[in-house]
This record gives sequence, C-alpha cells and structure tokens, in this order.
Amino acid sequence: SQQGEEDPQALSIQEGENATMNCSYKTSINNLQWYRQNSGRGLVHLILIRSNEREKHSGRLRVTLDTSKKSSSLLITASRAADTASYFCATRGLIQGAQKLVFGQGTRLTINP
Amino acid sequence: DTGVSQDPRHKITKRGQNVTFRCDPISEHNRLYWYRQTLGQGPEFLTYFQNEAQLEKSRLLSDRFSAERPKGSFSTLEIQRTEQGDSAMYLCASSLDSMWETQYFGPGTRLLVL
Repeated sequence: SQQGEEDPQALSIQEGENATMNCSYKTSINNLQWYRQNSGRGLVHLILIRSNEREKHSGRLRVTLDTSKKSSSLLITASRAADTASYFCATRGLIQGAQKLVFGQGTRLTINP
Repeated sequence: DTGVSQDPRHKITKRGQNVTFRCDPISEHNRLYWYRQTLGQGPEFLTYFQNEAQLEKSRLLSDRFSAERPKGSFSTLEIQRTEQGDSAMYLCASSLDSMWETQYFGPGTRLLVL
C-alpha cells in the first residue's frame, strides 16, 4: 500500500515559474527521497533528506522536511520544459532491517513553453 | 558503470503463460529490489535481496511469483500462470548496504497480459 499522499496530483505551469510539490506520509522515517520519472521510463534519484535534516538544496531543487507534520515539499525553481515528468516521494522506515522504499502516488508536472 | 539494466523492456503474453524477467544491478551493489508499478501509481515493493539472500517479501508477492538471485549478482523474477491483473511495469533497483542508501532504478520491464 502507498505510504501517503502527494499534492497536487497534477501541476501545469509556464516555463520559468517555480513548481512546488508536497508529500505527506504516515509512519516515522529514517529518510525521505524524491525521484523523477519520465513517461514510461525508470526512476531517477533526485535528492535524499535525512530525518534529522529540515532543508536540503541541490541545484534548482529545494527539499524541506517537517517530521512533526510528517510532510515534505519539493521546490523546483526556474522550471524548464525538460522538468516535465512525474515526481515521487519515497520514505524509508525506522524499523531495523526495513530497507524498502514506500512511494507516494506522485505528482505529474507539466512545464509549458 | 552502466547502471541497472533490465531485460526484456517489453513483454506481451497470454493469460496463463509463464514469464521471466532479468535484472542486472550495478556491479558493486549488494542489495537488489523488485517493485511493481501500475498506471498512475507509485512503485510498490515486492521483494529484496542482500547478496543472494531474499530477506523480505511483500504480501503482494503471491505464490505465483518467485524471485532468485543465485550468485548475488543478477536476479530473475518469474510469474507463473499470468493473470490480466499482473499487467504492470516491473522495476528493479540496486544499492550499496548503508543507512543512507540511494536506490538506483533500471528502466523497467512493461508486462501486458492479454
């Protein structure tokens, strides 16, 4: 079963604007990761944020984590047409030996030129 | 480093047939994962190997599904007596053993059961 919800399910913006996607989860986590998936392709890892971190940056990406609210956000600044894809958050649990990732349902992002 | 590879990329089969998928992980990675993704959904965990040992299996993995990683390198996922509900993208990922591991995904095998 899915860990949580992603919001919005679909987002369409103009090139150059910023895109914000949110993710909520249900259980305590070790870390949270964001992945991108182009249509019909495999997943590409974007960024990992640990449970003791609140914010992380990588290029045009900014991720925040609020463990008290069990939520995370992914901000893509100065969007480009090539950013068009589905974006998934995935959590790794705290239980010893819990190696699997539990994914959300994803946000489908469309960047209009 | 050529990344994670999967074969075949696409498979069309008739209901009741058996299918087998292969995954070749990144060479130094000791962990290997299988996930299944249906249209419009995020991937769902199926099973995971540490070297050749299968350490966790999801309840999604019915007795028609079996996975192996015989020498701790490549892995196979077999589905026996396929059903239309098995139609999905089957994703393989690999990683190094660490607390902050990143899982690297292959391109997936898209299965269509007619």
